[in-house]
Amino acid sequence: QLQLQESGPGLVKPSETLSLTCTVSGGSISSSSYYWGWIRQPPGKGLEWIGSMFYSGSTYYNPSLKSRVTISVDTSKNQFSLKLSSVTAAETAVYYCGSQTYTYGPQDPFDIWGQGTMVTVSS
Amino acid sequence: QSVLTQPPSASGTPGQRVTISCSGSSSNIGSNTVNWYQQLPGTAPKLLIYSNTQRPSGVPDRFSGSKSGTSASLAISGLQSEDEADYYCAAWDDSPNGPVFGGGTKLTVL
Repeated sequence: QLQLQESGPGLVKPSETLSLTCTVSGGSISSSSYYWGWIRQPPGKGLEWIGSMFYSGSTYYNPSLKSRVTISVDTSKNQFSLKLSSVTAAETAVYYCGSQTYTYGPQDPFDIWGQGTMVTVSS
Repeated sequence: QSVLTQPPSASGTPGQRVTISCSGSSSNIGSNTVNWYQQLPGTAPKLLIYSNTQRPSGVPDRFSGSKSGTSASLAISGLQSEDEADYYCAAWDDSPNGPVFGGGTKLTVL
């Protein structure tokens, strides 16, 4: 059974780059069976998709964040990562990594989620 | 402001049937399938319904989904106290080419 675990700093300064890693267990990050993605949830608010990527390197980003987001894969560590530059306090949120079992493409649902990691943007 | 519109709250008593609506547009629900997620307090969302009506393994058949035009609904029958959670609808949106979510509905079991 696929399991995901987020890790990274819990505090990031405004204007700096938020960097998180998602470690995958129970499956290969290089598998053609999954898309890998990030979703965030500000405190007390709803969910926002950040982006997804396929093992081949194809990436899909939320257009509102596209200029600041990079999702990449480290096959040697079976991990994928998120980098979000120039963050503001409004981006304080719980950040989740998730997997999408490939059926049609990036529109497949997130069927496995990590437990989430709280990131606070503050000086 | 979420792209998909859900009522902020819903409630019911144990054993009742409750429905939660999700309204979108032609670029999302109107042309793509709808997924529903359940988020219990303090936990990560969990996929509850996918492809409008399908339940992942392990999800009780008390949960059902439907879609018509640019709207979708989640129905919960035989309401139980453990169903108290936030529920989110989601669908792929052809413009801006990514998944969009509803604002969530907080279900209270009275």
